[in-house]
Amino acid sequence: DTAVSQTPKYLVTQMGNDKSIKCEQNLGHDTMYWYKQDSKKFLKIMFSYNNKELIINETVPNRFSPKSPDKAHLNLHINSLELGDSAVYFCASSQRVGGYTFGSGTRLTVV
Amino acid sequence: TQLLEQSPQFLSIQEGENLTVYCNSSSVFSSLQWYRQEPGEGPVLLVTVVTGGEVKKLKRLTFQFGDARKDSSLHITAAQPGDTGLYLCAGALGRDDKIIFGKGTRLHILP
Repeated sequence: DTAVSQTPKYLVTQMGNDKSIKCEQNLGHDTMYWYKQDSKKFLKIMFSYNNKELIINETVPNRFSPKSPDKAHLNLHINSLELGDSAVYFCASSQRVGGYTFGSGTRLTVV
Repeated sequence: TQLLEQSPQFLSIQEGENLTVYCNSSSVFSSLQWYRQEPGEGPVLLVTVVTGGEVKKLKRLTFQFGDARKDSSLHITAAQPGDTGLYLCAGALGRDDKIIFGKGTRLHILP
């Protein structure tokens, strides 16, 4: 009964490939997020969706494209992967003023 | 640029000691959250504070939100090895509740 689940947990791929990370939440939250955590553990927001509508789109290369088929799912597709994309990507969900529930992360390694 | 400064970055103390971690900003937040993150996992929400001056207690952890809602502190009494982890503060900004994270305090409690 995992609240926020993301797959895969580990992803190793070559430069130039296209990959997707999936996220699902069963908490009934209206808002979902993608965060990137770098090697120094700094968490930076990438995107936020509220009820399938994009509300936050930080300065992220347009190789990154989020898709929300319904409010329980927020997937992240990355085109033409680069070495600098290597990081841990976290999906999260929330209700207003409630704090976030995070998934356990996807460690992406681009070689 | 909105920043949340956390201090100290690293803290290593003996079991049984007390400690305080600080989170400071020049921005006013509508709410502030504290998370703990363990290796290989996503951050886990500890507390959300909303009102200036608010104090919340979670067993040996005491959280305080500054009167002006620009800063917060986390005080741990009689630290235990199980408290070891990365502690992150996060502040909510603006109407879309965009949340920014501090860079974290890595706490290590020595048995």
